[in-house]
Amino acid sequence: GQQLNQSPQSMFIQEGEDVSMNCTSSSIFNTWLWYKQDPGEGPVLLIALYKAGELTSNGRLTAQFGTTRKDSFLNISASIPSDVGIYFCAGQLNSGGYQKVTFGTGTKLQVIP
Amino acid sequence: DVKVTQSSRYLVKRTGEKVFLECVQDMDHENMFWYRQDPGLGLRLIYFSYDVKMKEKGDIPEGYSVSREKKERFSLILESASTNQTSMYLCASSFASQNTFGSGTRLTVV
Repeated sequence: GQQLNQSPQSMFIQEGEDVSMNCTSSSIFNTWLWYKQDPGEGPVLLIALYKAGELTSNGRLTAQFGTTRKDSFLNISASIPSDVGIYFCAGQLNSGGYQKVTFGTGTKLQVIP
Repeated sequence: DVKVTQSSRYLVKRTGEKVFLECVQDMDHENMFWYRQDPGLGLRLIYFSYDVKMKEKGDIPEGYSVSREKKERFSLILESASTNQTSMYLCASSFASQNTFGSGTRLTVV
């Protein structure tokens, strides 16, 4: 099955720094989703993007749906210790009458206080 | 809020055992999914279901089967557990495009 290329795979940053991560695909999607997984928990949806070029914010998080529909970006501003976790992108496309979701490989974020 | 409950947080099973992982959701969602999560590989879809008694293979169905006898419950079955099935298993249910995940079951096969 298809996997999305997500980078970086992991990152250590200082508290207060901004963070950027991205996801690329060889195929187009009509929806992009960003999830965060806290240690020991399941992923939780952060942001959903439905249109090429769309830029959406959720507090300190900003995500963009790439204009080619093959990529997406997530930025976190002024990181804090509770931002620690694994961030997953996911692309969604109609396939055979249902919505098929493909997840990225994840970006593990560690914040140094 | 939608709640997706996985019956076990941790399981240790022996090679060759038949293993059942249970998942229940309380929001009347029609769509349910089973994923496995492995470091560096992200979440990979094993099976999904869009209705009671309906099931479809995902990207990595080999060695697994599923059962959906009731709308709220979706079970993942490992017919004969093997060590390469040691992983984190995540169940999800969804409405429209947005999955709600359970907390996961960490399965170790020894």
